[in-house]
Amino acid sequence: GEDVEQSLFLSVREGDSSVINCTYTDSSSTYLYWYKQEPGAGLQLLTYIFSNMDMKQDQRLTVLLNKKDKHLSLRIADTQTGDSAIYFCAERALTGTASKLTFGTGTRLQVTL
Amino acid sequence: NAGVTQTPKFQVLKTGQSMTLQCAQDMNHEYMSWYRQDPGMGLRLIHYSVGAGITDQGEVPNGYNVSRSTTEDFPLRLLSAAPSQTSVYFCASTRGAGQPQHFGDGTRLSIL
Repeated sequence: GEDVEQSLFLSVREGDSSVINCTYTDSSSTYLYWYKQEPGAGLQLLTYIFSNMDMKQDQRLTVLLNKKDKHLSLRIADTQTGDSAIYFCAERALTGTASKLTFGTGTRLQVTL
Repeated sequence: NAGVTQTPKFQVLKTGQSMTLQCAQDMNHEYMSWYRQDPGMGLRLIHYSVGAGITDQGEVPNGYNVSRSTTEDFPLRLLSAAPSQTSVYFCASTRGAGQPQHFGDGTRLSIL
């Protein structure tokens, strides 16, 4: 079955880069997503990558995918206090439908001054 | 364009009561899902639907029922609430393959 793992907590200083890591087990994963959740709110899609890509960049966000090691990372450049939130990695398996995503436990990012 | 709308935002129930969590989307998405979020466990899929009239079970379906009579609506029913169902519930929808899921703001449910 699918399993997605993330570290629970990351603390960075404002202005530094943040790197949030995720590992997954299903080699048939087709799409991998990063969502952001602020306190008391729903999940906001940040970015996603198709499994045949190695990297995707979108302004301050860079996603790196190492398919061999089943490792996904999200880099946030010039981290700001507004980036403090929980970040979820999610994957959609080849055998799954678009309705079925498997989520990691989430990484809480704390940005300090 | 409202996106995915969930009601109510908060609810407190007593053990054994029943209730329906509402979810509606106005994006004409075929695919809809219900997740629950518990501390330290991420989001877990309860039920999902690939189109009107078609539903299936996710990872944690016990104690919940769903139906999909229209494309827009995907209600989640708790038939006899239990304290273990205290959680935050999220509804999501997507157009389909390769498209990301859009989430509602969640329903915070407490069962006493």
